[in-house]
Amino acid sequence: GENVEQHPSTLSVQEGDSAVIKCTYSDSASNYFPWYKQELGKRPQLIIDIRSNVGEKKDQRIAVTLNKTAKHFSLHITETQPEDSAVYFCAASPRVDSSYKLIFGSGTRLLVRP
Amino acid sequence: EPEVTQTPSHQVTQMGQEVILRCVPISNHLYFYWYRQILGQKVEFLVSFYNNEISEKSEIFDDQFSVERPDGSNFTLKIRSTKLEDSAMYFCASSARQNTEAFFGQGTRLTVV
Repeated sequence: GENVEQHPSTLSVQEGDSAVIKCTYSDSASNYFPWYKQELGKRPQLIIDIRSNVGEKKDQRIAVTLNKTAKHFSLHITETQPEDSAVYFCAASPRVDSSYKLIFGSGTRLLVRP
Repeated sequence: EPEVTQTPSHQVTQMGQEVILRCVPISNHLYFYWYRQILGQKVEFLVSFYNNEISEKSEIFDDQFSVERPDGSNFTLKIRSTKLEDSAMYFCASSARQNTEAFFGQGTRLTVV
């Protein structure tokens, strides 16, 4: 089955710097890759997603890139702010019949230092 | 903005007891899921549900687990005989179509003592 690896597990950056989180997946049939932000004690919330027919997507300070050949995708946050501090999870969706489950990476704890 | 709601927010139960976790997905969504997250760990897939039946389940979702959509709005997860290792945050999620955003509920923290 699908396996998603995520690095780094923790990331500390200075406010205003960029942060990059990387994920790899194993199932070449996966075709949907969302990123979720989870603040302490709260629900995961989607911040950006990308489908396999697209190589890059950007939304203000957040961008995601996808390399289907290498089976990896990355989250880029520019001009980081303290409120970006949270745990970020990447995920991949390997379609099985009518199940569009998400397989999550292990998470990256991002700390933005003011 | 519509959201997925879960009740209760926190449930404490004795080992061996049955628990039912309840979820109300977003009303026009078709795909429903349960995930769990052990404290400090990643979110793990339990089961997906579509067209009134389970479409996929993980190895975690053994015979002690069941799901039901008893009416047009609720989606429940039942654990028949809870074990200590079932202690986790359980998230319900729903999505409108395939490969679109899965909206998560706020979670039910299950503590088995």
